Amino acid sequence: DTGVSQNPRHKITKRGQNVTFRCDPISEHNRLYWYRQTLGQGPEFLTYFQNEAQLEKSRLLSDRFSAERPKGSFSTLEIQRTEQGDSAMYLCASSSQAGGATDTQYFGPGTRLTVL
Amino acid sequence: TQLLEQSPQFLSIQEGENLTVYCNSSSVFSSLQWYRQEPGEGPVLLVTVVTGGEVKKLKRLTFQFGDARKDSSLHITAAQPGDTGLYLCAGADALHNNDMRFGAGTRLTVKP
Repeated sequence: DTGVSQNPRHKITKRGQNVTFRCDPISEHNRLYWYRQTLGQGPEFLTYFQNEAQLEKSRLLSDRFSAERPKGSFSTLEIQRTEQGDSAMYLCASSSQAGGATDTQYFGPGTRLTVL
Repeated sequence: TQLLEQSPQFLSIQEGENLTVYCNSSSVFSSLQWYRQEPGEGPVLLVTVVTGGEVKKLKRLTFQFGDARKDSSLHITAAQPGDTGLYLCAGADALHNNDMRFGAGTRLTVKP
């Protein structure tokens, strides 16, 4: 069990550029989540997938953000036309249950995005 | 406004001291989880509590879920420098598909 992995770990980009992050969940987990965390705050929910279906999106996920999980395994999160306000840690988590009350999520190490 | 309020926001203590941090809400949660996060890393799960009034112990850490499942506490006995980190609580919001809602965390520093 290699846990949840994310890459890149760090990304520095210029405002207006597009960026894409990848998350590889724990292999048998059917649920995958994306969160954003800014300094001094806890993670904020962005979206989640059950297998390949994207079931929920937060209002934080503007139309510049898109997430995919084409084969129900790894997922990508793309941000188009990045803004300085997008600078944050982007966290991915996965879980193996069907969304019940004890749906324990395991987090990856995150991708730290800095928009200059 | 955070759905979960954590207090204190910052805590700095000497090695060997005991401490308690709190996680409070006006909402009822199906379950509640505590995580510890170190700088530049993702949160690492410490415990999940499900039943109101439940107490779980993990070595020097004691977690309690409130009877009404609206609040929780984490008590650390004889803190060590290795306990330093950001302690996050997260509740499964039963009114919203059990989505996890996080508090802003308590940043603990244990000085040797």
